[in-house]
Amino acid sequence: QVLLVESGGGVVQPGRSLRLPCAASGFTFSSYAMHWVRQAPGKGLEWVGLISYDGSNKYYANSVKGRFTISRDDSKNTLYLQMNSLRAEDTAVYYCARAVMVRGVPYYYFGLDVWGQGTTVTVSS
Amino acid sequence: QSALTQPPSVSGSPGQSVTISCTGTSSDVGSYNRVSWYQQPPGTAPKLMIFEVNSRPSGVPDRFSGSKSGNTASLTISGLQAEDEGDYYCYSYTSSSTLVFGGGTKVTVL
Repeated sequence: QVLLVESGGGVVQPGRSLRLPCAASGFTFSSYAMHWVRQAPGKGLEWVGLISYDGSNKYYANSVKGRFTISRDDSKNTLYLQMNSLRAEDTAVYYCARAVMVRGVPYYYFGLDVWGQGTTVTVSS
Repeated sequence: QSALTQPPSVSGSPGQSVTISCTGTSSDVGSYNRVSWYQQPPGTAPKLMIFEVNSRPSGVPDRFSGSKSGNTASLTISGLQAEDEGDYYCYSYTSSSTLVFGGGTKVTVL
């Protein structure tokens, strides 16, 4: 069974840091690009960033660039989102998602076919 | 990285067809066949319905179809069913090598 499980969410004060792991199972994690997507309470989906299948390329939304860092540990089948200098507007459910492989190639931009259940981050004093 | 433009809501009776539009620019939707669509029932994670403009993942009913013309992509749900209710989002690659979602459309089955 293909599965993504996020963890690490919680309540954190503004300006502090938090790291979210996303554990993957049921597929060859090292063969896929991975994304983070967030959803603020009552709002729509917002793309946060991505890491290519081999870790050589990383791209971020302007809203988090310079504060958030995505990494992966293929030996642990785990994706990470390191969030620094957190702000109230970072309050959201954070999802990790797998990029759909098209014609056997690990493109990162055609869509997201597997999603985790999400973990909630609340930034508040 | 402005969000793609979707109508806030669409509705239809069971059996009818509804179409959701997703308007971007020549820097995203208009330049790439890298548009996908997601269904999100309340309180659940999104589900991929269409990728690469008009491809369906296995398990998605063929009632769901996608298309694109110029800077606007569209998702059509034919033979609307009660289980199709929820929020729908489009998603596109951009010329900045980033991705962007639409604002979301709430589908209501009357």
